[in-house]
Amino acid sequence: AQTVTQSQPEMSVQEAETVTLSCTYDTSENNYYLFWYKQPPSRQMILVIRQEAYKQQNATENRFSVNFQKAAKSFSLKISDSQLGDTAMYFCASWGSGGGADGLTFGKGTHLIIQP
Amino acid sequence: EAGVAQSPRYKIIEKRQSVAFWCNPISGHATLYWYQQILGQGPKLLIQFQNNGVVDDSQLPKDRFSAERLKGVDSTLKIQPAKLEDSAVYLCASSPRRRDGEQFFGPGTRLTVL
Repeated sequence: AQTVTQSQPEMSVQEAETVTLSCTYDTSENNYYLFWYKQPPSRQMILVIRQEAYKQQNATENRFSVNFQKAAKSFSLKISDSQLGDTAMYFCASWGSGGGADGLTFGKGTHLIIQP
Repeated sequence: EAGVAQSPRYKIIEKRQSVAFWCNPISGHATLYWYQQILGQGPKLLIQFQNNGVVDDSQLPKDRFSAERLKGVDSTLKIQPAKLEDSAVYLCASSPRRRDGEQFFGPGTRLTVL
């Protein structure tokens, strides 16, 4: 079984600032992946960034980067130079390859608001 | 490459009525998922198909929900009869492989049950 916890229901920052969204997880899988998805009001889930658990190097995608602390089971998302278009719900998710069902396990999400 | 298509985008029904949602995954994607996203929560897996077979439907309320994926391509999710607590966004996702969790989501269907 997997669980994902996001403890920040909502965050608000000024445009161009840096913001960090927190996520902790628990899994019994040895091989797993972690994801951050963005969901704007259009409801389309958009993959922001992905981390393979066996890779020690933190993943980066342009202004988005993660801080993956495997021992602490922590997976935070840092958004640099935030833009108005970053306003959305952000979901942390985990996936394990233990066989059987392999749907994503999502947290409850963080509503990020970028203020002009 | 065309994305995952879903229809309708919105649906409003009375409780005890029936409703059906349609999903067309990305071409060539063997795995298809249906998720339910209740307001204020993350998506929850309802059912997973591999080609036209069910991999897991343990979270599907089978007394009222049913799903099928004929010919391993399109899928339909049906609710009959609907309850107030079924109000949610229903997301369809597809995946080209089952070794890294990468899934592509459709725009979802927002269901309101009155």
